[in-house]
Amino acid sequence: QSALTQPPSASGSPGQSVTISCTGTSSDVGSYNYVSWYQQHPGKAPKLMIYEVTKRPSGVPDRFSGSKSGDTASLTVSGLQPEDEADYYCSSYAGSNIVIFGGGTKLTVL
Amino acid sequence: EVQLVQSGAEVKKPGESLRISCKGSGYSFTTSWIGWVRQMPGKGLEWMGIVYPGDSDTTYSPSFQGQVTISADKSISTAYLQWSSLKASDTAMYFCVRRDGYNTIVYWGQGTLVTVSS
Repeated sequence: QSALTQPPSASGSPGQSVTISCTGTSSDVGSYNYVSWYQQHPGKAPKLMIYEVTKRPSGVPDRFSGSKSGDTASLTVSGLQPEDEADYYCSSYAGSNIVIFGGGTKLTVL
Repeated sequence: EVQLVQSGAEVKKPGESLRISCKGSGYSFTTSWIGWVRQMPGKGLEWMGIVYPGDSDTTYSPSFQGQVTISADKSISTAYLQWSSLKASDTAMYFCVRRDGYNTIVYWGQGTLVTVSS
């Protein structure tokens, strides 16, 4: 299995919205509604932001939302805030107890 | 409170063996999958494999099959990641995680930095 494809970088000004894509295949993203998104600040462990494509864990602001169409999942951050600047990783279940991560996207708040 | 506490940073030479650990607490260790994730310096997250402590069922990512061994000792609520012969390319931060459902990782260990250098 190859890593899921994410853009290396994304950016937006405070208050704007930004969408990060995550493209897989019909064997992973396209087959399962088990896509998750993680936020990682430098030197920290990743934090779960979205699971099962659209669900938000308790405590995650509703500015974060997820969606999926075919083999591509997306994370949208609305109303960008300075603290949203971080690396974001998608991951997908790929069957047979295997999980695949994306290469990561560095989100810059201008 | 669910916690995954990993062993401390390691500095090793190429060819040496190593085992790092991850102790779970605050939940039923035997009924939750424990996975390992690698993050090489300045790079992204990579799924290595997973173990079910209840019966030691283990699945490896194809990229890591044969390169590492993942195991668990349910009697002491601890999972392990081990290498028999380290390489410089094994230098990375390693996170243990508790996987819920098929792909939901709420709980992460604090990470163990492994440095392999001659």
